[in-house]
Amino acid sequence: ETGVTQSPTHLIKTRGQQVTLRCSSQSGHNTVSWYQQALGQGPQFIFQYYREEENGRGNFPPRFSGLQFPNYSSELNVNALELDDSALYLCASSLKGQAEAFFGQGTRLTVV
Amino acid sequence: GQSLEQPSEVTAVEGAIVQINCTYQTSGFYGLSWYQQHDGGAPTFLSYNALDGLEETGRFSSFLSRSDSYGYLLLQELQMKDSASYFCAVRHNTDKLIFGTGTRLQVFP
Repeated sequence: ETGVTQSPTHLIKTRGQQVTLRCSSQSGHNTVSWYQQALGQGPQFIFQYYREEENGRGNFPPRFSGLQFPNYSSELNVNALELDDSALYLCASSLKGQAEAFFGQGTRLTVV
Repeated sequence: GQSLEQPSEVTAVEGAIVQINCTYQTSGFYGLSWYQQHDGGAPTFLSYNALDGLEETGRFSSFLSRSDSYGYLLLQELQMKDSASYFCAVRHNTDKLIFGTGTRLQVFP
């Protein structure tokens, strides 16, 4: 167990809807990153938050947005869901400057 | 662009040694990490190389050559529980990780 928890574990949404995924970081970690993992692929970097500010973004459209809260928990919001958004969404927490990232079990999102 | 290449699949028997190679092309390289992911599970950190050379952690070792943009993960004394996907990932100076497509390791008795 990494101490990183994500909710919900599974979710089914309809195309065009909006979704919010949640992540609780490991205690003491000030950096959280979100990744999208399609079946059979490696995780793809969406964005990172450090001390409540976005600190880097991958090649994802603006309908992917996020928040980090003062307690370092985080949310990933996706608007106008598309079928291709179906994937495992992983949250990873870390200490700024440390190599090791601790991943949660992920949220499996299915868009129908 | 940025890319990491790994073999898609490797098979071995219990007790054997296996090496998973990774070549990368990326800007902003800070180091190379390795993660293990069992089916349905979360990626788990295995090893990290910031400098050239070999890092050893128990049965797992990782190597990096920055001049060759190449690294590998060496798994010794393979066990059935080592059957999983293994990802190399370039770490950038912002701590973001760029992952390869992964190598699926199957260990047979």
